[in-house]
Amino acid sequence: GAGVSQTPSNKVTEKGKYVELRCDPISGHTALYWYRQSLGQGPEFLIYFQGTGAADDSGLPNDRFFAVRPEGSVSTLKIQRTERGDSAVYLCASSPTGGGGTEAFFGQGTRLTVV
Amino acid sequence: ILNVEQSPQSLHVQEGDSTNFTCSFPSSNFYALHWYRWETAKSPEALFVMTLNGDEKKKGRISATLNTKEGYSYLYIKGSQPEDSATYLCASRFYFGTGTSLTVIP
Repeated sequence: GAGVSQTPSNKVTEKGKYVELRCDPISGHTALYWYRQSLGQGPEFLIYFQGTGAADDSGLPNDRFFAVRPEGSVSTLKIQRTERGDSAVYLCASSPTGGGGTEAFFGQGTRLTVV
Repeated sequence: ILNVEQSPQSLHVQEGDSTNFTCSFPSSNFYALHWYRWETAKSPEALFVMTLNGDEKKKGRISATLNTKEGYSYLYIKGSQPEDSATYLCASRFYFGTGTSLTVIP
């Protein structure tokens, strides 16, 4: 497909488990962003990749959260020792160039529920 | 982290009314201002990216203005239609406001 693809669309996991969320950006987009959205809030910035490197990871809430983009395309957000407070919709976006100055295209999100 | 604020939080208007909402952001170290429309069960859709003070952008019945010196942007919708019902989000670079939820009543 031509858009940003996120899998799975829904994930239910038990407290304490490890989860991986995948984002497949638009082909050729060098910039990739991860956001977390809780009910009633706007998307909360987590991390921004330019190519393979994390250009800004200041939004990651703690060391349980980690993200990679090893080949500069697909990215995986990894959450260790999940907590109930991690329940949210995790959004991924990509843009042709980086830095937040160009239009970003969003995926449909992964709804994570920690029980 | 940038503090981006939007007002009002929600808005109900009659079909055919024009409306506008506000996004305020820190004026120092300004980079870019984005407006998105987010309909239920869909992905956020980019409306505008604005970078220059005084920028005005238009897409159909929707337009936006930008004042980087005082740190605000306005989004205007002329002649609202039911299909305009959505949450409108603004973002200063990576940082989003909480959005304005617009409901257009037929």
